[in-house]
Amino acid sequence: NAGVTQTPKFRILKIGQSMTLQCAQDMNHNYMYWYRQDPGMGLKLIYYSVGAGITDKGEVPNGYNVSRSTTEDFPLRLELAAPSQTSVYFCATALGTEAFFGQGTRLTVV
Amino acid sequence: GENVEQHPSTLSVQEGDSAVIKCTYSDSASNYFPWYKQELGKGPQLIIDIRSNVGEKKDQRIAVTLNKTAKHFSLHITETQPEDSAVYFCAALETGANNLFFGTGTRLTVIP
Repeated sequence: NAGVTQTPKFRILKIGQSMTLQCAQDMNHNYMYWYRQDPGMGLKLIYYSVGAGITDKGEVPNGYNVSRSTTEDFPLRLELAAPSQTSVYFCATALGTEAFFGQGTRLTVV
Repeated sequence: GENVEQHPSTLSVQEGDSAVIKCTYSDSASNYFPWYKQELGKGPQLIIDIRSNVGEKKDQRIAVTLNKTAKHFSLHITETQPEDSAVYFCAALETGANNLFFGTGTRLTVIP
């Protein structure tokens, strides 16, 4: 089992560009999450999904969109990248209360 | 939503000493409190958790205590080893949704 797989691992974007961060899981977990991690700030929840076809906003959703067409995939979309979106992004899944994290995507917006 | 505060932000200990990290939470209805360890370049990994019906839980050198009345919980690592060096996060589960709210992290350095 691969667990939670995030791609890409690193990316540099120019201001105003768009991109999709991919997240795939093979654990058949219903819950999936996107977090961003900024230095000294812990992890902040961007969006989450309780199952295929259902998504909801977390603490910091502005500037992002998600979709959940299948149980396995939960992509995060940035439409107009801004320097404030420079961060490390983590996707996670949960079975009950225990969360499993991917390796992260380090995004820099210049 | 839930608000979790974590202290200290950095902690250095000599190998073999104990380390204690403390967290407080705001939502008295929260009932699940995990601790995650994040090594450099990796995602957080669950190391121990505690539910509100228990006051203390141990797993070898790691223990977690919970005081529901005071709304705080702590991570205790005994006989620290260099491989314990990492960033540790506490979290609390938001009631009603299955969402975790994280503390700001503690960078633990174990000096050989």
